[in-house]
Parts: sequence; structure tokens; C-alpha cells
Amino acid sequence: GESVGLHLPTLSVQEGDNSIINCAYSNSASDYFIWYKQESGKGPQFIIDIRSNMDKRQGQRVTVLLNKTVKHLSLQIAATQPGDSAVYFCAETYSGGGADGLTFGKGTHLIIQP
Amino acid sequence: DSGVTQTPKHLITATGQRVTLRCSPRSGDLSVYWYQQSLDQGLQFLIQYYNGEERAKGNILERFSAQQFPDLHSELNLSSLELGDSALYFCASSVDRPGNTIYFGEGSWLTVV
Repeated sequence: GESVGLHLPTLSVQEGDNSIINCAYSNSASDYFIWYKQESGKGPQFIIDIRSNMDKRQGQRVTVLLNKTVKHLSLQIAATQPGDSAVYFCAETYSGGGADGLTFGKGTHLIIQP
Repeated sequence: DSGVTQTPKHLITATGQRVTLRCSPRSGDLSVYWYQQSLDQGLQFLIQYYNGEERAKGNILERFSAQQFPDLHSELNLSSLELGDSALYFCASSVDRPGNTIYFGEGSWLTVV
């Protein structure tokens, strides 16, 4: 079964506003987390990752926050643009061995309104 | 462009048939992963190969098989196809160990009619 889930299947925000997409994970052994963006008809595109020894990581207009205490991950997108419209997936894995495949959540559809 | 190349991009075939999907990983990547994405499911991990050997299996049906060749490209073979096999099949690659970023190709869209 899924060990990673998303709280909101659809998120609608105004262009220029900040977006926050949330994700819960259940495998406390997971130590590597990735956010992917998937546009219609395309493959998942890497956005940002974070390892369990960190609680925050920033990229260009994106920030990922990790709260290991409550097993929660979030993706913040600053000043959202029309091009940010996509489905966003969080994914987790354990780097210490076993199955290497990522476990994905079902995705959140981010809709940017003009 | 992630550097992961998949062919064909689109494929339509009949039930009971067999198809082969091909993947070339990013240059230097030793691990190849296959994922299935259908309309009612998220991304489901199927199988992983590392440097030619199977490393991990996920939700892969017995009718499906894969292999990774010495040049590191990989093929996913789908046989006795059913309507429910219609999906997007993604290949992804990473350098080696888990915990390295996994990059995805653009996918092969399979339609079984």
C-alpha cells in the first residue's frame, strides 16, 4: 500500500500568491524525499529534494520543509506563475538498502488562477 | 530534458499481444527503474536494475518482465496484454545507490484495445 499521501488532491491559487503543498509519509525509516512536478503528457520533473538530516532546503522559488516528528513534508512555491500549473508528487525512499524504488503519493493538482 | 530517453512515445496494440518498451538512461547512470502510471493510480514502482542485474521488484505482474543490457539500456516487456494495462510507462535512472536523485523520461503511452 501507499506509505506516502497528500492532504489535498487539488489546490487553486491566484497568480502571484504563494502555494503550499503538503504530504504525509508513514515510513519512519525513509530518509530521502523528493518533490516532482508533472505537466500533462510529460514525465515527472525533479524539483527539489531533502535528506532527513535537514529540515529545510531552498531552491529557486521553492522551499521544502521536513518535519520528521510528525512525518510531514511540504513544498512551498513563491509567487506562483501560470507555468507552475501541474500535478505535484512527493516521493520517499530509504537509502539504506532494500527496494530502491521511490514510493509516490497520489499527487496534488495545482491550479493557478489569473 | 532529463537525459532519459524512452521509445516509443505512443503505442496502440490489441489485447493478447506483446510489446517492448525501451529506455536509455542518463549518461553515467547505472540504475534504471520502471514505473507505471494509470488514470486511477499514482506512480507505481515496477522494477529496478542496477548495472545489468535486477535489484528490486515492486508491483510488477508476472506477464511483465524487464532486463538491462551491458550498454545499460533497458527494456520492459509486456505480454498477454489486457485492457487494464493501458497506462503511461516511465523509465527513470540514477547514478547508483538509493538516495541519489532519480530522473524520469517522458514516458511511453500504451493503449490496449
